[in-house]
Amino acid sequence: EAGVAQSPRYKIIEKRQSVAFWCNPISGHATLYWYQQILGQGPKLLIQFQNNGVVDDSQLPKDRFSAERLKGVDSTLKIQPAKLEDSAVYLCASSSDRGISYEQYFGPGTRLTVT
Amino acid sequence: SQQGEEDPQALSIQEGENATMNCSYKTSINNLQWYRQNSGRGLVHLILIRSNEREKHSGRLRVTLDTSKKSSSLLITASRAADTASYFCATALMNRDDKIIFGKGTRLHILP
Repeated sequence: EAGVAQSPRYKIIEKRQSVAFWCNPISGHATLYWYQQILGQGPKLLIQFQNNGVVDDSQLPKDRFSAERLKGVDSTLKIQPAKLEDSAVYLCASSSDRGISYEQYFGPGTRLTVT
Repeated sequence: SQQGEEDPQALSIQEGENATMNCSYKTSINNLQWYRQNSGRGLVHLILIRSNEREKHSGRLRVTLDTSKKSSSLLITASRAADTASYFCATALMNRDDKIIFGKGTRLHILP
């Protein structure tokens, strides 16, 4: 079974620039999560999708972050414009069925550096 | 918001020894999960314990849960160099079992 795929693996941008991350979850997984992990901390949930609908985006900075999951499969997370404090690893995870199978499978992450 | 907090923040032990990490949380949970993160394999799910369970085993891992104290422990027996990683507890709240909140983690270093 193929795992969660993410790209790019690394990205360096200047502040005020835009950046986009892509995630392809495990086939058949209905739930998709985007997390932000700052160095030395645990992952923080940014947004959760169930199929192509948003379940939870309470911690997503909506003035600069946006995410979509068209057709309920792949997802993109965008930051526009980026700030220095956005430097972090952005993790995508998926799980098979909301409320039944709790295990989340994580991708390798995208390490973003904002200079 | 942070729900779980691991203790200690960092731990160094000799290979072959046992490692114990603790997690405390604030509000009632549906389940508690432990994850491991290292540079090689990323963030990986280790074990899940439900609120009505007190102990679970998986290979060299033993997890306990005390809901009265709102705490959990992860024991790794006979540690190996490959166990060097950060370990996170993640809690799922009673009304949102599909959402987990991670703690800051314990950095475990196994010395040769």
